[in-house]
Amino acid sequence: DTAVSQTPKYLVTQMGNDKSIKCEQNLGHDTMYWYKQDSKKFLKIMFSYNNKELIINETVPNRFSPKSPDKAHLNLHINSLELGDSAVYFCASSPQVIAETQYFGPGTRLLVL
Amino acid sequence: AQTVTQSQPEMSVQEAETVTLSCTYDTSESDYYLFWYKQPPSRQMILVIRQEAYKQQNATENRFSVNFQKAAKSFSLKISDSQLGDAAMYFCAYRSFSGSARQLTFGSGTQLTVLP
Repeated sequence: DTAVSQTPKYLVTQMGNDKSIKCEQNLGHDTMYWYKQDSKKFLKIMFSYNNKELIINETVPNRFSPKSPDKAHLNLHINSLELGDSAVYFCASSPQVIAETQYFGPGTRLLVL
Repeated sequence: AQTVTQSQPEMSVQEAETVTLSCTYDTSESDYYLFWYKQPPSRQMILVIRQEAYKQQNATENRFSVNFQKAAKSFSLKISDSQLGDAAMYFCAYRSFSGSARQLTFGSGTQLTVLP
């Protein structure tokens, strides 16, 4: 069974469009995350979220917004896509206990044309 | 803010040999966690090993072990008896012990090639 899943795995779209990436975890974790991996493979946190708190990396444009319909899901919405948004986006989750490891989804490769 | 540095963009090792990947970090905290993640061509991020800063003993997981030098802020990964399946990008990561933000701060990665 997949622990952290993301859909779609690949997303090709035009500049200016709005798109969403879905993330689901079946691990019962309390905290979920979105990371961005750029063309040089550098990974950077975008958001971390649990039931109580959304923490946003201040460098993330407000065109990006996480939405959590329930504890098992944290979707990423992106408005007015730009060429520079092309990257691989990873969802991750971890239990509330801080010592626990984060588990990553398979990633979504976004290409903005 | 914490930073993680991996000074080796690329490394190669002969199959069955041993290789060490370097990682240094900068932090003012005394308690934290360190991780090594592996990213093969499939893109999946896979946890290799983790170390709690309050533990003096170096973590080991089968062929993978770390050399954790807290005073030097160094956290290197040693892979023994390298296998072709070890070929991947390896990321060192830091996580704070305190505060509500539990995100990982990653290094820039080391691409490991295993030669047959």
